[in-house]
Amino acid sequence: QVQLQESGPGLVKPSETLSLTCTVSGGAISNYYWTWIRQPPGKRLEWIGNIDYTGSTNYNPSLKSRVTISVDTSKNQFSLKLGSVTAAETAVYYCAIGAGWLPDYWGQGTLVTVSS
Amino acid sequence: EIVLTQSPGTLSLSPGERATLSCRASQSVRSSYLAWYQRKPGQAPRILIYGASSRATGIPDRFSGSGSGTDFTLTISRLEPEDFAVYYCQQYGSSPLTFGGGTKVEIK
Repeated sequence: QVQLQESGPGLVKPSETLSLTCTVSGGAISNYYWTWIRQPPGKRLEWIGNIDYTGSTNYNPSLKSRVTISVDTSKNQFSLKLGSVTAAETAVYYCAIGAGWLPDYWGQGTLVTVSS
Repeated sequence: EIVLTQSPGTLSLSPGERATLSCRASQSVRSSYLAWYQRKPGQAPRILIYGASSRATGIPDRFSGSGSGTDFTLTISRLEPEDFAVYYCQQYGSSPLTFGGGTKVEIK
């Protein structure tokens, strides 16, 4: 069974870059779409973006200028970088994968707090 | 972007009862690309339904999805104790993908 695990700093300072990695186990991750999603406390889930098996990326327009999603299939990992973060971006960040745009498998999520 | 509105916010029911959850879209969802997820505390969200009405692998047949266009429904025919959770709808037909605010199904 495919399992995903997010990892990275739980605390990031305002204006700095948030960096997270998702490690996938239980199967090869080639030919998938790799996705990042977040949920701030008390707010709804927000799609951050994805990268497909050709390397093509798709980002939420609200975040596009600050986001980079990349994948390393040799390590079964993909990553998220979000620059110039603010306190409003404190959230649980989820990684997910799917055969298409729809995320089929999700990680449990990791809380990232943006605070000085 | 497509805004999804879920109702009710909370559903208080007893095991064995029927649960009906609604998801309404601000505009038509292309090709019924509407999914439902279940999320329990401390667990990864689990996909239940995709394409508005297709059950994901391993999902019990007490879960069913219906609808098209802008109105979608998730029905749990008879609630089992493990079904008490938060449910989200998501549209994946248009970018950016968007989610509903969730419906919490709690034990009455």
